[in-house]
Amino acid sequence: SQQGEEDPQALSIQEGENATMNCSYKTSINNLQWYRQNSGRGLVHLILIRSNEREKHSGRLRVTLDTSKKSSSLLITASRAADTASYFCATDNSNYQLIWGAGTKLIIKP
Amino acid sequence: DTGVSQDPRHKITKRGQNVTFRCDPISEHNRLYWYRQTLGQGPEFLTYFQNEAQLEKSRLLSDRFSAERPKGSFSTLEIQRTEQGDSAMYLCASSQAAMRRGLSTGELFFGEGSRLTVL
Repeated sequence: SQQGEEDPQALSIQEGENATMNCSYKTSINNLQWYRQNSGRGLVHLILIRSNEREKHSGRLRVTLDTSKKSSSLLITASRAADTASYFCATDNSNYQLIWGAGTKLIIKP
Repeated sequence: DTGVSQDPRHKITKRGQNVTFRCDPISEHNRLYWYRQTLGQGPEFLTYFQNEAQLEKSRLLSDRFSAERPKGSFSTLEIQRTEQGDSAMYLCASSQAAMRRGLSTGELFFGEGSRLTVL
């Protein structure tokens, strides 16, 4: 079963613009993680935010977490063509496994 | 750092045949996961090992699927009597669990996946 739901399903923006993706989930969590996947490749971990954290930064990435609304957002600033990929959120609810959403497909137009 | 490696990267087989995938995790990682991913979807959990013990197995995993991790090193995922619905990308991931984290799952390191096509 998939707990997370990403929104939007697809996003197309111009290079240099910011991209925002949202994730909603259903149950309480230990942490929430964001991953990137290039077409036909494996997933790459981007950032992990714990349930007691509200915001986290890593380079051009900014993640927020609102546990009262059971939602998270991923902001990519100053997008580049190389950011074109699918982005997934995954929640850890102490069950040895991550529960994944269906992802947001991001296209950066040059 | 050799990362997580999976073999083969692509496998085309006829319905009814058996297939086996291999995963070599990052050497110091004690946790190993298998996921299945179909086009346009996120990964679906299949099974999980801590060292050589298989601790969790998804209800999605029919009795045609079996996974092993002998000696807590590499792992194999075997699918017997393949069906067209088994066509998917099979992803392996590993992680190092810190004891103090208990059940918490930290960052997963994924391989490039093994794509299965059942004709």
